[in-house]
Amino acid sequence: EPEVTQTPSHQVTQMGQEVILRCVPISNHLYFYWYRQILGQKVEFLVSFYNNEISEKSEIFDDQFSVERPDGSNFTLKIRSTKLEDSAMYFCASSEEGRKFFGPGTRLTVL
Amino acid sequence: AQSVTQPDIHITVSEGASLELRCNYSYGATPYLFWYVQSPGQGLQLLLKYFSGDTLVQGIKGFEAEFKRSQSSFNLRKPSVHWSDAAEYFCAVAPMEYGNKLVFGAGTILRVKS
Repeated sequence: EPEVTQTPSHQVTQMGQEVILRCVPISNHLYFYWYRQILGQKVEFLVSFYNNEISEKSEIFDDQFSVERPDGSNFTLKIRSTKLEDSAMYFCASSEEGRKFFGPGTRLTVL
Repeated sequence: AQSVTQPDIHITVSEGASLELRCNYSYGATPYLFWYVQSPGQGLQLLLKYFSGDTLVQGIKGFEAEFKRSQSSFNLRKPSVHWSDAAEYFCAVAPMEYGNKLVFGAGTILRVKS
């Protein structure tokens, strides 16, 4: 079965630093997403991306966040200046009609 | 606004016993409904989904779920639980599956005792 991959599996960073989380969606998918899950809390939608632009974003997705599909295969989430509260598991997903596929997640720890 | 409620934070069942995980949703129309499973250190795996038609849907790993419009519920069931089913289960809704965001419930942690 095709799968979404994410790197790194775990990222540790200092508060205020920039981080880039990387995702490789399934090759023929057209819609891409980022979700996050703070430890012990719900999985929350961050942003959806289609046709090289953001199609929807949540209120969590403020100016510190950005997404990009730089080369037609990768899909990245950048956090410009990390805060302690950004510590979470970040899931990338891509979708075809009828089904979303999630990646294994990147655990981000902000110290 | 859409919301999903999973009233049970933890459930413990004996191996071989039946299982039902509850999910209620709030949405103006009938949404698309999903159950995902997350094993420790793993991503979210789709167990099953409901879009329309037969209100009893079958999924992977022997799971099924029943959509009840009158109760705004989409409970997940399995007739006989295996130890490998221990995981966290998330119910989710979306107004339209293709291209729209999922709204997740808080999750139910399933423990299986031998």
